[in-house]
Amino acid sequence: EPEVTQTPSHQVTQMGQEVILRCVPISNHLYFYWYRQILGQKVEFLVSFYNNEISEKSEIFDDQFSVERPDGSNFTLKIRSTKLEDSAMYFCASPGTDSSGANVLTFGAGSRLTVL
Amino acid sequence: KQEVTQIPAALSVPEGENLVLNCSFTDSAIYNLQWFRQDPGKGLTSLLLIQSSQREQTSGRLNASLDKSSGRSTLYIAASQPGDSATYLCAVSPNTGRRALTFGSGTRLQVQP
Repeated sequence: EPEVTQTPSHQVTQMGQEVILRCVPISNHLYFYWYRQILGQKVEFLVSFYNNEISEKSEIFDDQFSVERPDGSNFTLKIRSTKLEDSAMYFCASPGTDSSGANVLTFGAGSRLTVL
Repeated sequence: KQEVTQIPAALSVPEGENLVLNCSFTDSAIYNLQWFRQDPGKGLTSLLLIQSSQREQTSGRLNASLDKSSGRSTLYIAASQPGDSATYLCAVSPNTGRRALTFGSGTRLQVQP
C-alpha cells in the first residue's frame, strides 16, 4: 500500500530557530497537503500544494510558513522563526486509494515539533 | 465556515458491544466525508470515505452512513475489540475544487477486554 513518509519523526528546537519538515508523498501525485494538530486539539488544515504552487492556505499559514518542492519527490514545510505555539504534530497528506480502490487522503505518521 | 462536531467525546465499552459514533457538520455542501482512526501519538489512518452521493460504506466490522441534508454521519462498529481502542475522527471536504478537510475533535474509544 502506498505510503506518505515524513521526517523527522520528532524535532526539538529553541524558540526563534528555523525548522524544516520533510515529506515524501505518494508518487506521481501532484497534490499534497500539510495539516497540524496541537496536542489535545483538532487537526487543522495549513496549506495545499498543487503542481509546484500553493493551491489553498488557511489563516494559520502566515508569512512564517513556506512550502517548497526542492526536488521531484520531496516536499518541505519551513517555519522561519518558531514560536512556542508552533509546537504540534505536523502531518503531510497525499491523495491515494484505499483497499477498495476509493480515493482517500493518505496521511503520513507525522512530525512532532517541540519548541522550547 | 464549516464546523464539524463529534459526539460523544469519549466512550468506554466492554468488548463485544456494538457502538455508534456520531458526526455532524454545519454546511451540507460537501464533496465527501471521511472517517479516520488515530492511535496515540500516531498519524491518521483512513477507515471509510463516503462520497456526497452515497448513503453508506462498509468495511469489515465498520459501517459509515451519511445523511447530507441533515448534516450527519455515523460510524457503526460491530462486535468491538480491544484493538479498536483509538480516537476516531470525522472530516468533511467542501464541494469546491479545493479539498482541504475540516476535522471534528474526535471520539476517544476505549474497549475493555
